[in-house]
Amino acid sequence: QVQLVQSGAEVTKPGASVKVSCKASQYTFSIYFFHWVRQAPGQGLEWMGVLDPDSGTTTYAQGFQGRVTMTWDTSTSTLYMDLSSLKSDDTAVYYCARVPLGEGHVDSWGQGTLVTVSS
Amino acid sequence: DIQMTQSPSSLSASVGDRVTFTCQASQDINNYLNWYQQKPGKAPKLLIYDASNLETGVPSRFSGSGSGTHFTFTISSLQPEDIATYYCQNYDNLLFSFGQGTKLEI
Repeated sequence: QVQLVQSGAEVTKPGASVKVSCKASQYTFSIYFFHWVRQAPGQGLEWMGVLDPDSGTTTYAQGFQGRVTMTWDTSTSTLYMDLSSLKSDDTAVYYCARVPLGEGHVDSWGQGTLVTVSS
Repeated sequence: DIQMTQSPSSLSASVGDRVTFTCQASQDINNYLNWYQQKPGKAPKLLIYDASNLETGVPSRFSGSGSGTHFTFTISSLQPEDIATYYCQNYDNLLFSFGQGTKLEI
């Protein structure tokens, strides 16, 4: 069973950056894309962007362009999401999510990482 | 950007009820529409993909239909464990958009 295991909760200050990791066990080359989705407390799901781990190509949601960077470490099969210039309304649970190539649905989710932005 | 609008935002029903809610797309999305169930403190779980296909292992009381801009999600006989928030999700060339969710209560 493929698992996505995310890094632990973070507490950070406004204006700072945060980097969340997501390790994919049993990753099979060339057949998945990875997305990041976040959920503010009591709110809905918000898509942040997608990464193709084989090419490193990324596409970011308009609201995050310029602030988010998604990367992939091939040697450890680990996905990273870096969000900068944090504001209090970036406080949310951040999920990584795996989508099979050619499909549009998530077949595996990370457990979520709570990022709290507070002065 | 494609906007997804779910209705209602919340719904109260009884065990055994047939429950239906909808998801409307701002433009034609063919059948590129998925439904997820999310319980508090948990990641979402895929129930229906490509508008009407039941994910493996998901009980058959869940179903989806629709195409184009209007989609429907149905629970044929509501069970206590179905209490959750349900989200629709569109995919358009790797880009995702989610509806705002329908919270189901008993």
